[in-house]
Amino acid sequence: QQKVQQSPESLTVSEGAMASLNCTFSDGTSNNFRWYRQHSAKGLEVLVSIFSDGEKEEGRFTAHLNRANLHVSLHIREPQPSDSAVYLCAVSIGGGYKVVFGSGTRLLVSP
Amino acid sequence: SVLLYQKPNRDICQSGTSLKIQCVADSQVVSMFWYQQFQEQSLMLMATANEGSEATYESGFTKDKFPISRPNLTFSTLTVNNARPGDSSIYFCSSHRGREQYFGPGTRLTVL
Repeated sequence: QQKVQQSPESLTVSEGAMASLNCTFSDGTSNNFRWYRQHSAKGLEVLVSIFSDGEKEEGRFTAHLNRANLHVSLHIREPQPSDSAVYLCAVSIGGGYKVVFGSGTRLLVSP
Repeated sequence: SVLLYQKPNRDICQSGTSLKIQCVADSQVVSMFWYQQFQEQSLMLMATANEGSEATYESGFTKDKFPISRPNLTFSTLTVNNARPGDSSIYFCSSHRGREQYFGPGTRLTVL
């Protein structure tokens, strides 16, 4: 069964500094990875989808996937206070469409 | 892409009652998924619903407690039976097209 863990649990960064979030998973056969943002228990906002090893950039958000190391990360360039939210990593179960979520990283961007 | 709508946005109900949450897709989708999210926690997959067949439930979720219907390729209903305060959470429906996954806006349920 796929297990997904995120670190750190919480992170505070200053506005403009790079924020880096980590996600490890247990099943290396997964081929579908996604980072979401959730403000105050509202809806899910998809930030980046990545399906193969390497890097994928969407605006200020960059995901790095290394399936051999069972690791996917999210880097937020020039974070702003409005980026303060919970960030969730989602990993597919094998090559299917069911998804397992990590427990989230709470990001606080201070002005 | 797929747009998913949920109704109601939020609901408050008394313990012991049942309530229904509807999910509508703007186009036909093969599978619909239901997730539960307790406050400040992760989303947990509850079940997968395909048209014309019984939903398959993940560990910890049962058909008796959370019956799901999937009468056609654009619609699904999640029912919460005998609601308890411990069922208070946000319920999301989800689907996919190709490799992309889509989520509804969520239904916030409070059980008193």
